Amino acid sequence: DTGVSQDPRHKITKRGQNVTFRCDPISEHNRLYWYRQTLGQGPEFLTYFQNEAQLEKSRLLSDRFSAERPKGSFSTLEIQRTEQGDSAMYLCASRDAGGVMGTEAFFGQGTRLTVV
Amino acid sequence: KNQVEQSPQSLIILEGKNCTLQCNYTVSPFSNLRWYKQDTGRGPVSLTIMTFSENTKSNGRYTATLDADTKQSSLHITASQLSDSASYICVVLREAAGNKLTFGGGTRVLVKP
Repeated sequence: DTGVSQDPRHKITKRGQNVTFRCDPISEHNRLYWYRQTLGQGPEFLTYFQNEAQLEKSRLLSDRFSAERPKGSFSTLEIQRTEQGDSAMYLCASRDAGGVMGTEAFFGQGTRLTVV
Repeated sequence: KNQVEQSPQSLIILEGKNCTLQCNYTVSPFSNLRWYKQDTGRGPVSLTIMTFSENTKSNGRYTATLDADTKQSSLHITASQLSDSASYICVVLREAAGNKLTFGGGTRVLVKP
């Protein structure tokens, strides 16, 4: 499978615990995005990377959230001291930003987080 | 403010019928507009992508239109099938620092037999 893959698909955690999600983008894609989607809503931008550099973070990304892309390949999103409001689908997308228009953004299947 | 608004929020149609979904955006500067289909519990999958110079683009029974002057787009589904039941999300790529994708809230379509 050469698409975007996310792990785990589902995560249930107790409030206050830390969780970490992983995203493996399409290998030649230099841009990697993280989005959060709550039920019935469209995805909301969290952060994005150009290779290993984190270029933008949303105000939604509180200090409990941290994302890394250490070698410009896979990325991790960590949430510390989870709260019930963190329950959502966390989507990762990647694209090749080169060229005049760049290319299509491809999404992973998402990680559904439930904080109990 | 860079926003993407979609309407209706949801609709129910009978199998075989057509429907049209609307998208209005204020994102600037505009780069391109995409329509995605998202099945429940899955990631979005691209249907079409259009630049400001394209007025219409088709992908099977899906036809998207774009009016860059009025900043409106529509997605027309022809001869709907049960498998068309999903959320359809309008996404605009902003040609600015970040080239961030701005998502609409989606339209949830339910096709009934």
